[in-house]
Amino acid sequence: GAVVSQHPSWVICKSGTSVKIECRSLDFQATTMFWYRQFPKQSLMLMATSNEGSKATYEQGVEKDKFLINHASLTLSTLTVTSAHPEDSSFYICSARDSSGAGDTQYFGPGTRLTVL
Amino acid sequence: AQTVTQSQPEMSVQEAETVTLSCTYDTSENNYYLFWYKQPPSRQMILVIRQEAYKQQNATENRFSVNFQKAAKSFSLKISDSQLGDTAMYFCAFSISGEDMRFGAGTRLTVKP
Repeated sequence: GAVVSQHPSWVICKSGTSVKIECRSLDFQATTMFWYRQFPKQSLMLMATSNEGSKATYEQGVEKDKFLINHASLTLSTLTVTSAHPEDSSFYICSARDSSGAGDTQYFGPGTRLTVL
Repeated sequence: AQTVTQSQPEMSVQEAETVTLSCTYDTSENNYYLFWYKQPPSRQMILVIRQEAYKQQNATENRFSVNFQKAAKSFSLKISDSQLGDTAMYFCAFSISGEDMRFGAGTRLTVKP
């Protein structure tokens, strides 16, 4: 149980284009999902908290107009990197909060490697 | 603000031996959760073990156990009978009710045959 999928796993795009990343909780409902960014050999940095049916909460320094988050259902959140530039190249990881049972644990997707040329 | 500190950037252990990874944290909260996540080369984050702050008993999961010292704000991970598949980055994490998870910088563990 508690499986989170992420799609695509790897994407290469040209500078100036937009890229959408999907995060799905496969066997549980997640009212809250999270988006992280991880640079090589570094820890995970929280970008934003995505709440189903409401606006996302962004961490300080994260541009909400550049990183659009939509959480339209209890099992799906999407992150769209708009007008991507090479500095946006990174590993993006989502997680979903399982608050059922003895939960309140975040389960992570496998990540998406974004390369902007 | 909550902070999580992992003071060991890299560690190594011989196969079948025991290793302990350190983690300290800072918070003014009384109720919270602590986690250890493993990130192997595939980069998939895998939950290793979880501890609720209100529980005095240390959590255990097979070969993995923690030493939770609430007063000292310490949360170390002990891996017994280390296996080659344990080679990975290990992240200590802190959260209040599952939200707003903060991670340490990570410890790269290498298990040597």
